[in-house]
Amino acid sequence: GNSVTQMEGPVTLSEEAFLTINCTYTATGYPSLFWYVQYPGEGLQLLLKATKADDKGSNKGFEATYRKETTSFHLEKGSVQVSDSAVYFCALSDTITGNQFYFGTGTSLTVIP
Amino acid sequence: EAGVVQSPRYKIIEKKQPVAFWCNPISGHNTLYWYLQNLGQGPELLIRYENEEAVDDSQLPKDRFSAERLKGVDSTLKIQPAELGDSAVYLCASSTGTSGYNEQFFGPGTRLTVL
Repeated sequence: GNSVTQMEGPVTLSEEAFLTINCTYTATGYPSLFWYVQYPGEGLQLLLKATKADDKGSNKGFEATYRKETTSFHLEKGSVQVSDSAVYFCALSDTITGNQFYFGTGTSLTVIP
Repeated sequence: EAGVVQSPRYKIIEKKQPVAFWCNPISGHNTLYWYLQNLGQGPELLIRYENEEAVDDSQLPKDRFSAERLKGVDSTLKIQPAELGDSAVYLCASSTGTSGYNEQFFGPGTRLTVL
């Protein structure tokens, strides 16, 4: 079946630190992979996505590379800011059975000044 | 472009009472989703609509939950009667298609508290 496993949080970093949030997946087909971010009191927003192996998604300084050989899609940012404090969700979309999304449990990030 | 609109944002009810949530998707988005998000967890799909047709409702607890999407635009999710375990955030999302490559756009959610 399809599933996503995310690094457990919470994660606390100082401003300008390097961020990595691990995400691995299990899929029966050829999924698309996504990172969504949820700021306090708001809905989920797409951060970045990759639709095939070796694709790199990037947005707002965040990057993630679709690694089929390791079934991973780790999120990275070189220098975090206080405004990056949020919950981050890794997700996959099953392209065979339609646009059903499978989400990880989320990783809470707090960036302190 | 307006995003996905949900109402109410918050709802507090006593157990055994009915409750309804409303969602207005982004204009032109044919696919609509209802998700359940428990505290500290990722969203879990309840039901997916293609226009007015429910194409995947396998995760919807049909003994107490129901949903409709009349005219293929707005949608309503209902719980009757509510139980304590239904306390969660109910998210609505929409997308332009079901190819698997399409981004889903989420509303802010309705936080339900059942006392």
